Amino acid sequence: QVQLQESGPGLVKPSQTLSLTCTVSGGSISSGSYYWSWIRQPAGKGLEWIGRIYTSGSTNYNPSLKSRVTISVDTSKNQFSLKLSSVTAADTAVYYCARGSPDYDYWGQGTLVTVSS
Amino acid sequence: QLVLTQSPSASASLGASVKLTCTLSSGHSSYAIAWHQQQPEKGPRYLMKLNSDGSHSKGDGIPDRFSGSSSGAERYLTISSLQSEDEADYYCQTWGTGTVVFGGGTKLTVL
Repeated sequence: QVQLQESGPGLVKPSQTLSLTCTVSGGSISSGSYYWSWIRQPAGKGLEWIGRIYTSGSTNYNPSLKSRVTISVDTSKNQFSLKLSSVTAADTAVYYCARGSPDYDYWGQGTLVTVSS
Repeated sequence: QLVLTQSPSASASLGASVKLTCTLSSGHSSYAIAWHQQQPEKGPRYLMKLNSDGSHSKGDGIPDRFSGSSSGAERYLTISSLQSEDEADYYCQTWGTGTVVFGGGTKLTVL
């Protein structure tokens, strides 16, 4: 059974870069045809797609975040990562990683990131 | 533009059935979607992938009480024999070239 687990700082200062990692277990991140993705959810609101990286390494990003987002993969550690630059309070949310094919059949439990000084 | 529309709320009685709707934007009626359940204070859980012809494949461990169907641009999630633990937010998701879209979610209350 595939499992995903997010990790990273829970507090980030405004204007800094948010960095999160998703560790995949129960399967190799480089096998199969999957989109390894990041989704976020502000408190009391719906799900917002941030972006994804394909097994081949190609990426797609939400146009509204594209200028600030980078998603990368480290196959040696079976992990993929999110970097979101120049954060503001509006980036405060629970961040989820997920595996897509392209429907999201496995999700991490989520990690809360608060942007505050 | 690829958009999914969901009613903000729905309610039904314990033991009854409820049908939730997700509507695809104009020109996208052939798209498949996925349904996800999010119980209070929990992360999303994959329910199923639903195709335009109504065929669907469910996630691991999803009870038979959950089923999907399609008609035109509408995609449905039917939950029968409602239980208290079905009270949750339900999101639909679809995908296009280089993009993924979520509906706004429907909050289901079990009375």
